[in-house]
Amino acid sequence: GAVVSQHPSWVICKSGTSVKIECRSLDFQATTMFWYRQFPKQSLMLMATSNEGSKATYEQGVEKDKFLINHASLTLSTLTVTSAHPEDSSFYICSASGVTNYNEQFFGPGTRLTVL
Amino acid sequence: AQTVTQSQPEMSVQEAETVTLSCTYDTSESDYYLFWYKQPPSRQMILVIRQEAYKQQNATENRFSVNFQKAAKSFSLKISDSQLGDAAMYFCALYTGTASKLTFGTGTRLQVTL
Repeated sequence: GAVVSQHPSWVICKSGTSVKIECRSLDFQATTMFWYRQFPKQSLMLMATSNEGSKATYEQGVEKDKFLINHASLTLSTLTVTSAHPEDSSFYICSASGVTNYNEQFFGPGTRLTVL
Repeated sequence: AQTVTQSQPEMSVQEAETVTLSCTYDTSESDYYLFWYKQPPSRQMILVIRQEAYKQQNATENRFSVNFQKAAKSFSLKISDSQLGDAAMYFCALYTGTASKLTFGTGTRLQVTL
């Protein structure tokens, strides 16, 4: 149990375009979802936390207008990178936690974004 | 604020041997949870083991065990009978109810040699 999927696993886009990444909890209701960014050989950096039906809470230094997060249902959250630029190229990981396991996060497999 | 420190950027262990990865943390909370995650080359984060702060007994999962020293705020991971598949990046993480999020250490890259 506790499976989280991400789609796409890999995306290449042109500079200036927007890219949407989906994160789904497949077998549990995710009351909270988290979005992380990971640079090569570095740790995970939390970008934002979203609760179902509420606006996301962004970490300091993360541009909320650039990284749009929607958590419209208990099984789906999306991250949209708007007007992507090469510096947005990174590995993005989502995680989810539920009501009964609120202190444990289950991670998706990640999405590699390359902006040309 | 809470912090997690992993002082060993890289470690190496021979197959079948035992290795210990270090982690120290800091928090003012009395109730918290500690985790070790493994990130293999696929980059999928995998939960290795978790420890509730209120439990005195060290958590164990097969070949993986922790040495939880609450007073010293230390949470080391011991891997016994190391296997080639254990080669990965290992992250120590702390969760508190106040922050409601995980704080990760910088990670330790574990190599397993024949």
